[in-house]
Amino acid sequence: GQQLNQSPQSMFIQEGEDVSMNCTSSSIFNTWLWYKQDPGEGPVLLIALYKAGELTSNGRLTAQFGITRKDSFLNISASIPSDVGIYFCAGPYNNNDMRFGAGTRLTVKP
Amino acid sequence: DAGITQSPRHKVTETGTPVTLRCHQTENHRYMYWYRQDPGHGLRLIHYSYGVKDTDKGEVSDGYSVSRSKTEDFLLTLESATSSQTSVYFCAAGLLNTGELFFGEGSRLTVL
Repeated sequence: GQQLNQSPQSMFIQEGEDVSMNCTSSSIFNTWLWYKQDPGEGPVLLIALYKAGELTSNGRLTAQFGITRKDSFLNISASIPSDVGIYFCAGPYNNNDMRFGAGTRLTVKP
Repeated sequence: DAGITQSPRHKVTETGTPVTLRCHQTENHRYMYWYRQDPGHGLRLIHYSYGVKDTDKGEVSDGYSVSRSKTEDFLLTLESATSSQTSVYFCAAGLLNTGELFFGEGSRLTVL
């Protein structure tokens, strides 16, 4: 089954609101990645985290690598309609095996 | 555009028929992956490759096989398609040291 548990499964928010989603695992991950999938396309990498406790920003997106190495969160500030999509956390399960969470589906109402 | 193309993009087939999906990359990435995406399950890894002729199973490999005879091509074969294999299949290639994978646009397979 899934090694990475994402929550919430879906979110419906108003444009301008901030968003927070997270990902947890029973296993330790040495890398945490956040991807976004636009409708009808493949996922694209947003942010990569390589060190426990690391906090990284990419524009309105901020992600943190949990200190226990078993969790990560992604925040989006001041959401806009183009933030709509599915957000996935991901990490290498073993040396070569890249696993993804089930995703958080974000809907932004104008 | 990271140079990952999948073919076919759409396919409808009947139960019991063999199906092959092709993934082609132009960036010379060592690692390539096949995932399936289903509602409520996200992306689940089917098989992956860490070099020419080097492949391994992912978490949902039953009923699927892969081959990689050249760096640029990674084939996914369903030997005898079943309705449970109706899904959207994504190929990815990339850099395992950074974790950045580049995805194709997906292949939608319907098994009747």
